[in-house]
Amino acid sequence: DAKTTQPNSMESNEEEPVHLPCNHSTISGTDYIHWYRQLPSQGPEYVIHGLTSNVNNRMASLAIAEDRKSSTLILHRATLRDAAVYYCILSPRISQNFVFGPGTRLSVLP
Amino acid sequence: DGGITQSPKYLFRKEGQNVTLSCEQNLNHDAMYWYRQDPGQGLRLIYYSQIVNDFQKGDIAEGYSVSREKKESFPLTVTSAQKNPTAFYLCASSVQGEGSYEQYFGPGTRLTVT
Repeated sequence: DAKTTQPNSMESNEEEPVHLPCNHSTISGTDYIHWYRQLPSQGPEYVIHGLTSNVNNRMASLAIAEDRKSSTLILHRATLRDAAVYYCILSPRISQNFVFGPGTRLSVLP
Repeated sequence: DGGITQSPKYLFRKEGQNVTLSCEQNLNHDAMYWYRQDPGQGLRLIYYSQIVNDFQKGDIAEGYSVSREKKESFPLTVTSAQKNPTAFYLCASSVQGEGSYEQYFGPGTRLTVT
């Protein structure tokens, strides 16, 4: 399975934008890029996913590099409720077998 | 409301006992998954099922068993053969088909075996 690399932790101030990076240099042409986040003692929550083009939804934006070897999750205005562990996952087109790494722990400072 | 329910939230067992964790979904999803999470770690796939009466092993299936007799239900049994069963267990479901779909997760069951 293709792997992803994320920073262990990041910090942001409330109401400022946050850019969470993810490297996936071994991504295959049919792998989708998914982002989930997890609050303590809860199940992960879907954030966004994409294949080649940048994607926007009500929660966040996903910027995918032209060579697809990296991507960035963008939270436009961080709130205290955005403090969580964020996982970047590659999902093959046919299989839904996600491989979760340790993720990035985002702290949001008031 | 549509979603995934897992019960119980906390479960305590003695070593050597089998224990079954419940997972039910009313999202009409074909695919269901079981993950295990240890402290400070990401999730690891135990078993998944893409259709009723069929399931496949994930990365860490040893010591676990599942069944999928109904579309809505995917119970996980942690057997006495699982060497380190204490963990946070998460169930998920998704649409099944060509393409990539989000997985919906339940609230999890925290199992403690002593």
